[in-house]
Amino acid sequence: AQSVSQHNHHVILSEAASLELGCNYSYGGTVNLFWYVQYPGQHLQLLLKYFSGDPLVKGIKGFEAEFIKSKFSFNLRKPSVQWSDTAEYFCAVNSGGYQKVTFGTGTKLQVIP
Amino acid sequence: NAGVMQNPRHLVRRRGQEARLRCSPMKGHSHVYWYRQLPEEGLKFMVYLQKENIIDESGMPKERFSAEFPKEGPSILRIQQVVRGDSAAYFCASSPQVNTEAFFGQGTRLTVV
Repeated sequence: AQSVSQHNHHVILSEAASLELGCNYSYGGTVNLFWYVQYPGQHLQLLLKYFSGDPLVKGIKGFEAEFIKSKFSFNLRKPSVQWSDTAEYFCAVNSGGYQKVTFGTGTKLQVIP
Repeated sequence: NAGVMQNPRHLVRRRGQEARLRCSPMKGHSHVYWYRQLPEEGLKFMVYLQKENIIDESGMPKERFSAEFPKEGPSILRIQQVVRGDSAAYFCASSPQVNTEAFFGQGTRLTVV
């Protein structure tokens, strides 16, 4: 069975600081990888996804993630966070086929102005 | 094209009552997924449906929970004889094809009192 680990449960950063959220998954086969964001009171939105190709994926709002197959990792990065990035971030994986996605437990990011 | 619509947004039920959660997928989407998010946990897959068929219900509790996606109308997640432990946010997602990203609704927050 696949699983996803997010190492940080709560992260507090000042505006303009750089962000890196860790995500590791366990599954030996082909995977699709996702990062979702959930702003307070809103639904999940897709930040970026990796299906195949370039392992460095660019997403919306300046986010990017790098798929490192040898490390089973898909860390999320942003060079300079804004107060509006305050939200909860979920890493997710599915093993191809239909979208039975396994989510991590989420990381709550608080950006202090 | 409206997004995935879930209603109600908030639902309060007394122990022993039934809860019905509705999900209208995006136009043209015939694949529906239900997830449950317990407090302080990530989303957990419950069930995957296509029109009139349950494809994968491996995440559904064996008792009291059922789901359907009829030919006409929304998908329904039904919880009979609710207990306090059923209190959670229930998210629906839909996708147009099998191996494409799923779009999430805003969720229904069920509170059992």
